[in-house]
Amino acid sequence: GDSVTQMEGPVTLSEEAFLTINCTYTATGYPSLFWYVQYPGEGLQLLLKATKADDKGSNKGFEATYRKETTSFHLEKGSVQVSDSAVYFCALPTGANSKLTFGKGITLSVRP
Amino acid sequence: GAGVSQSPRYKVAKRGQDVALRCDPISGHVSLFWYQQALGQGPEFLTYFQNEAQLDKSGLPSDRFFAERPEGSVSTLKIQRTQQEDSAVYLCASSLRLAGDTSHYKNEQFFGPGTRLTVL
Repeated sequence: GDSVTQMEGPVTLSEEAFLTINCTYTATGYPSLFWYVQYPGEGLQLLLKATKADDKGSNKGFEATYRKETTSFHLEKGSVQVSDSAVYFCALPTGANSKLTFGKGITLSVRP
Repeated sequence: GAGVSQSPRYKVAKRGQDVALRCDPISGHVSLFWYQQALGQGPEFLTYFQNEAQLDKSGLPSDRFFAERPEGSVSTLKIQRTQQEDSAVYLCASSLRLAGDTSHYKNEQFFGPGTRLTVL
């Protein structure tokens, strides 16, 4: 079945460092791909998405490119801020009802 | 407008008690999902409603779990005879999308803050 694999965490970075969080997927066809973020004490929010191969999703300085050839959707940011500290989930919709299949999530901590 | 709301935010139950968790989706959203998020894990699908119809309950872990959405709006997830392994955050999400609709712009799911259930 469809699945999402995220790199192991947690990740701790200094402010203004470069961030990469890896995500690979297994799916039938070419589904949309999502990154969700969960800030401390808050619900899951959609960070960005891509709907087809080679699409680049972007939001709040984060980017991710839908790579069909490597079945990947890695999340990147050129310069992280303390406010980016959160848990990040890669996800894809599966089945006719588009229920989301999530990766395990990775906790990012950014220190000043 | 208001987002998805859930209540209670926190629930402590003794093993064997029944609990009911409520979800108020965004007005007009036809699709409603329940997910279970164990500590340190990603959310896992429990069940799906399109309006009042429960179209998929394949993720419900046992027959102690029951969900309903009688008028196609508010939904309740009920867990009977709670066990310690039921301790988790229960998330509700809603979307505009109808089952089988391939429109990408409708497939974003909006999540509530979750209910953290602790079973002692």
